Amino acid sequence: NAGVTQTPKFQVLKTGQSMTLQCAQDMNHNSMYWYRQDPGMGLRLIYYSASEGTTDKGEVPNGYNVSRLNKREFSLRLESAAPSQTSVYFCASRRDKNTEAFFGQGTRLTVV
Amino acid sequence: AQSVTQLGSHVSVSEGALVLLRCNYSSSVPPYLFWYVQYPNQGLQLLLKYTSAATLVKGINGFEAEFKKSETSFHLTKPSAHMSDAAEYFCAVSVSGTYKYIFGTGTRLKVLA
Repeated sequence: NAGVTQTPKFQVLKTGQSMTLQCAQDMNHNSMYWYRQDPGMGLRLIYYSASEGTTDKGEVPNGYNVSRLNKREFSLRLESAAPSQTSVYFCASRRDKNTEAFFGQGTRLTVV
Repeated sequence: AQSVTQLGSHVSVSEGALVLLRCNYSSSVPPYLFWYVQYPNQGLQLLLKYTSAATLVKGINGFEAEFKKSETSFHLTKPSAHMSDAAEYFCAVSVSGTYKYIFGTGTRLKVLA
C-alpha cells in the first residue's frame, strides 16, 4: 500500500531553473492537490484537480503550473524558480469532496 | 469564502494536563471539518473528522472534537497529554459544493515533562 508517492524528496535549484514535482496515488482517488508549507502559514493550496482532465487554482497559484496526467498522477511545475518558492511541497488525494485527504511525505525544495 | 482559523500558533501543556487546540470556521452552511497531526519531517495524518453524523467526534490517540454550530467552533481536546503528542496540528475544511480543501495555519503543541 504505497498511498501517495512524491518525488523527489529533496531538491536544490538555482534561481531561474525549472523543475517538475511528481505525485502519484494508487487509491483510485478522484481529486488531487498540491500544497506548500511554510513556517507560521500552515498549508496553502496551490492547485487542485477535481478529476482527470480538470485543474483549478487554489490560494497561491502564481509561479506554478500543474498537469493531471491521468487519474493516478498530478505534477507540479515551476517554470522559473524564485527564492520565494523555497518551501516544503505536499501532494494529497481524496476519494470525493467530503472525505479526508491522504498525503505524501513531502518534497523539500530550496531555491538559491 | 469558507475558511478555518486556528487561535494560538504555539501551545504548551504539562504532561498529564488537558490539551485544548482551537479551530473556528466561517461558513453559512454546516461544513465538513477535519483535524490532522504532523510529526517532524512527515506528512499529515488524519486524527478525526466531522461529517454531521454526531457533534462529538472521537479520533485516534485519545483525541476528540466537538462541533458547536452556535460558536462556529470545532476545538480539539485530549484529557491527558502525553509526551508523544508533541507535534503540529492542523484544522481543515472542505469548501461546500467544491473540491477545494483548505487548512488553518496550524498549532504547534509542546508537552512539558
